[in-house]
Amino acid sequence: DTGVSQNPRHKITKRGQNVTFRCDPISEHNRLYWYRQTLGQGPEFLTYFQNEAQLEKSRLLSDRFSAERPKGSFSTLEIQRTEQGDSAMYLCASSTRDPNYGYTFGSGTRLTVV
Amino acid sequence: AQTVTQSQPEMSVQEAETVTLSCTYDTSESNYYLFWYKQPPSRQMILVIRQEAYKQQNATENRFSVNFQKAAKSFSLKISDSQLGDTAMYFCAFMGQGAQKLVFGQGTRLTINP
Repeated sequence: DTGVSQNPRHKITKRGQNVTFRCDPISEHNRLYWYRQTLGQGPEFLTYFQNEAQLEKSRLLSDRFSAERPKGSFSTLEIQRTEQGDSAMYLCASSTRDPNYGYTFGSGTRLTVV
Repeated sequence: AQTVTQSQPEMSVQEAETVTLSCTYDTSESNYYLFWYKQPPSRQMILVIRQEAYKQQNATENRFSVNFQKAAKSFSLKISDSQLGDTAMYFCAFMGQGAQKLVFGQGTRLTINP
């Protein structure tokens, strides 16, 4: 297992298009998190899953955003009708059932909306 | 809601010097967890050190140590004998006992100069 994998690494899209990102967590981890990070800022929580159940969503996650984790393995984050304000780094992380020991992060997907 | 504040946007020191990064947080909980994460340029975020609030002893990991002042709600990171590879963004993060997500500060950009 090589850690948390995110694809693509970079995505440039035109405003109004839909985009989808994928995250493959560490296989033994049953928790998966999505964060958004804008330039010069700390990561902001978007949502998290325990197995296939989405247990919490931030108010940052507007109705244009949807996340899934079918079968409790990989996860996808979709943004519909992208806006320039969606440009950011989208980080995925995973943890064991006890997240108090910290997360393992992926390298992120950098989204640029033009 | 918990908040994490890092008051130093940028810091710069010479190689081999000791540097301390500041972090304060706000919470009404008595039991929680604190973390420092390192994010090198264009690379993934990695966990540097972790502190459990109910432990009075400050955590240490090789050249990295913390000064945890629970009453003052302060959690600073000391890097001894700094190395060029320590150049990165450093994020302080908080997790409540019953919470399932990390709350991050704004980050401190640390540059180690040769």
